[in-house]
Amino acid sequence: DVKVTQSSRYLVKRTGEKVFLECVQDMDHENMFWYRQDPGLGLRLIYFSYDVKMKEKGDIPEGYSVSREKKERFSLILESASTNQTSMYLCASSRLNEKLFFGSGTQLSVL
Amino acid sequence: GEDVEQSLFLSVREGDSSVINCTYTDSSSTYLYWYKQEPGAGLQLLTYIFSNMDMKQDQRLTVLLNKKDKHLSLRIADTQTGDSAIYFCAEGNNQGGKLIFGQGTELSVKP
Repeated sequence: DVKVTQSSRYLVKRTGEKVFLECVQDMDHENMFWYRQDPGLGLRLIYFSYDVKMKEKGDIPEGYSVSREKKERFSLILESASTNQTSMYLCASSRLNEKLFFGSGTQLSVL
Repeated sequence: GEDVEQSLFLSVREGDSSVINCTYTDSSSTYLYWYKQEPGAGLQLLTYIFSNMDMKQDQRLTVLLNKKDKHLSLRIADTQTGDSAIYFCAEGNNQGGKLIFGQGTELSVKP
């Protein structure tokens, strides 16, 4: 079975902190994605990557950056966390043009 | 830009059929997906339909696609309490797995 693992289930951070959300997949997938999920808004794409060291902006990249130094790992970085970044963050991976597999999510609270 | 719309809530009685509806705007969509999210979990792919199909059936699930009206529906026959979850509609157009998601429909199944 494909496994997409997000390092933390819950995180609490303070405004202005630098935050790292980590995601690892074990199926050698080319594509990796970061979405945020908010009630009534569904999932919105933050960043995605088609290959190592490649990154593309999604629909809401402001306030975020990403890193993909290895194929299996895709990190989401909040340079200076703000309260409006409190959300559920979902990582996903896929082969090119195939279905997405999701991690369990990280619920981030910024106080 | 592309948009996917769903109603936010649906309540049914156990044993009834549930129909969850979705509309989308991107006429170049290649695949349309239904994902299920149980409480505290990530998204799990339920089923998908290729854009040149009208219907797909998979056990208790029936997907109907009206491409002219850009309308997608998911019917769950004999709905059970274990079907209570949030259901997301998503569309993709073979651009490397990038999907656009709806807001999610929360299905509540009452005994």
